[in-house]
Amino acid sequence: ETGVTQTPRHLVMGMTNKKSLKCEQHLGHNAMYWYKQSAKKPLELMFVYNFKEQTENNSVPSRFSPECPNSSHLFLHLHTLQPEDSALYLCASSQDIQGSSPLHFGNGTRLTVT
Amino acid sequence: RKEVEQDPGPFNVPEGATVAFNCTYSNSASQSFFWYRQDCRKEPKLLMSVYSSGNEDGRFTAQLNRASQYISLLIRDSKLSDSATYLCVVNEYGNKLVFGAGTILRVKS
Repeated sequence: ETGVTQTPRHLVMGMTNKKSLKCEQHLGHNAMYWYKQSAKKPLELMFVYNFKEQTENNSVPSRFSPECPNSSHLFLHLHTLQPEDSALYLCASSQDIQGSSPLHFGNGTRLTVT
Repeated sequence: RKEVEQDPGPFNVPEGATVAFNCTYSNSASQSFFWYRQDCRKEPKLLMSVYSSGNEDGRFTAQLNRASQYISLLIRDSKLSDSATYLCVVNEYGNKLVFGAGTILRVKS
């Protein structure tokens, strides 16, 4: 299934680097999300966009900067990250943000911060 | 109390067994419920939505108990390929979908 695609699949970066994660959805959905999944923890919601407008920032540090140029594309810009930011970053989309429609996830970016 | 709680397991069962997981939620006003499956080092994938009257999809049955605020997932005739982590998802507050930490299932031959 290629409804939601994420690149890169794996990323290793130093604490002083700047990198970006990319997500694209081909499902015609209106909402897009960034989630973080750390080992043995539940998925943590980071950001929500609805019709390319940010509707939620879940107290995420400013070293994570999202960008949503249109309803189909979502970026997560990373800079001066910490080793504890190493995790699986998942992009998702849904028809709407009402909570009644399920999320469709991309295959994730496994990030390692050295 | 956590918003969405699951027994982490692991549940180790033989092939062909029936296994059930529960998931409790804290907000009695929650309206939408889902079960997701996540394989090792992969993204979560929707397994099934959970409807008020309960619903079945092949070997999988989902139930909702509003009085006790839990949902359940029953898997009959377990296959090796059912081995995965099963995530419970609830829209706890308005449009916010909250994930449980997951229940690990291992089906062994």
